[in-house]
Amino acid sequence: DAGVTQSPTHLIKTRGQQVTLRCSPISGHKSVSWYQQVLGQGPQFIFQYYEKEERGRGNFPDRFSARQFPNYSSELNVNALLLGDSALYLCASSLELGGPLHFGNGTRLTVT
Amino acid sequence: AQSVTQPDIHITVSEGASLELRCNYSYGATPYLFWYVQSPGQGLQLLLKYFSGDTLVQGIKGFEAEFKRSQSSFNLRKPSVHWSDAAEYFCAVGGDQAGTALIFGKGTTLSVSS
Repeated sequence: DAGVTQSPTHLIKTRGQQVTLRCSPISGHKSVSWYQQVLGQGPQFIFQYYEKEERGRGNFPDRFSARQFPNYSSELNVNALLLGDSALYLCASSLELGGPLHFGNGTRLTVT
Repeated sequence: AQSVTQPDIHITVSEGASLELRCNYSYGATPYLFWYVQSPGQGLQLLLKYFSGDTLVQGIKGFEAEFKRSQSSFNLRKPSVHWSDAAEYFCAVGGDQAGTALIFGKGTTLSVSS
């Protein structure tokens, strides 16, 4: 079975622009979480979705939003990009809320 | 405040030597503890997790970790390191078994010398 897939793998945007990152969970997994990993730091929790509903949100501004679709895939949107949004964005899926997280390889976002 | 501290930013170990990576946590409730490994350009892979019960937990790739509540520690160990173990290691704490809203440490980079 395919693992968690994220697209695109790399992305370069300019300050003030908007970006959408996509995640396809492992087949059958119903929960998707998003993490931001700034260079030299550990990942930081952004959102968790389960059955298309938001189940958790980290300490991120409203410029960050996400949604989960009926097929359990997910999108992370970031508006009004800042230089500090440059990071590796990781998506993780789990079978249920009680299952272990399986991470994708991430999307590397560079804001110039 | 909830936090995870990994005191060692970078560790170099000779191939075949033993390894211990330190992790200290601060968490108000019963902690659920995890160790993840990240190779360059890759996502995170779960090595092992501790929820309750036996304080010594076994993971994949020959890793183990010991939970010490009195010291708020969850150190990762491996008796004999292989060159392929070179990677970045993250300790994380969460409030449930799912690893929801995990709090990660800053990571320890492991280099393996021949």
